Amino acid sequence: DTAVSQTPKYLVTQMGNDKSIKCEQNLGHDTMYWYKQDSKKFLKIMFSYNNKELIINETVPNRFSPKSPDKAHLNLHINSLELGDSAVYFCASSRRQGSTGELFFGEGSRLTVL
Amino acid sequence: SQQGEEDPQALSIQEGENATMNCSYKTSINNLQWYRQNSGRGLVHLILIRSNEREKHSGRLRVTLDTSKKSSSLLITASRAADTASYFCATDGDNQGGKLIFGQGTELSVKP
Repeated sequence: DTAVSQTPKYLVTQMGNDKSIKCEQNLGHDTMYWYKQDSKKFLKIMFSYNNKELIINETVPNRFSPKSPDKAHLNLHINSLELGDSAVYFCASSRRQGSTGELFFGEGSRLTVL
Repeated sequence: SQQGEEDPQALSIQEGENATMNCSYKTSINNLQWYRQNSGRGLVHLILIRSNEREKHSGRLRVTLDTSKKSSSLLITASRAADTASYFCATDGDNQGGKLIFGQGTELSVKP
């Protein structure tokens, strides 16, 4: 059973389009995250949610809108895509916010904006 | 802001050799974690060491932490081709606002 699953694995789209990435975890964790990994493999946190509540919003453009319908799901919608949005987006979860323990990552969604 | 910096950025060794990767960080931490990322895959947690611990082992992995030098090292003994991956350190500290902050990673290549 996949612990953290995200879809789609690949997205290729044109500048200006809108796209969504979905994430689900079946670990019963309270906290979920979105990370962005750039072409140099630098991994930066974008958002975290604890039990559906937004906890961290790391100065991400408001074209990025996360949504957590329940604590097992965290989706990411991106409006008006730009070339610089091309990256791999990782969803992750952990047991609780606060002193961060182990993160469990999904396999990533590679977004290419043309 | 980036907390951990890893060294070297890339490391190439032969199977059977040991691989050592280093991580330095800037501010005080609660714990430091190491992750592995195989090409095209997600990150996988390897080991967590708390600020009051100096050394931790897990199988062929040995992690040390020196809080006075703000540095950690990951040693992989008797490396295998399957250890080929990127390795990241990540820090968790009270002044990080609940964020786990990752270093830029070391790319390890183990040649058979």
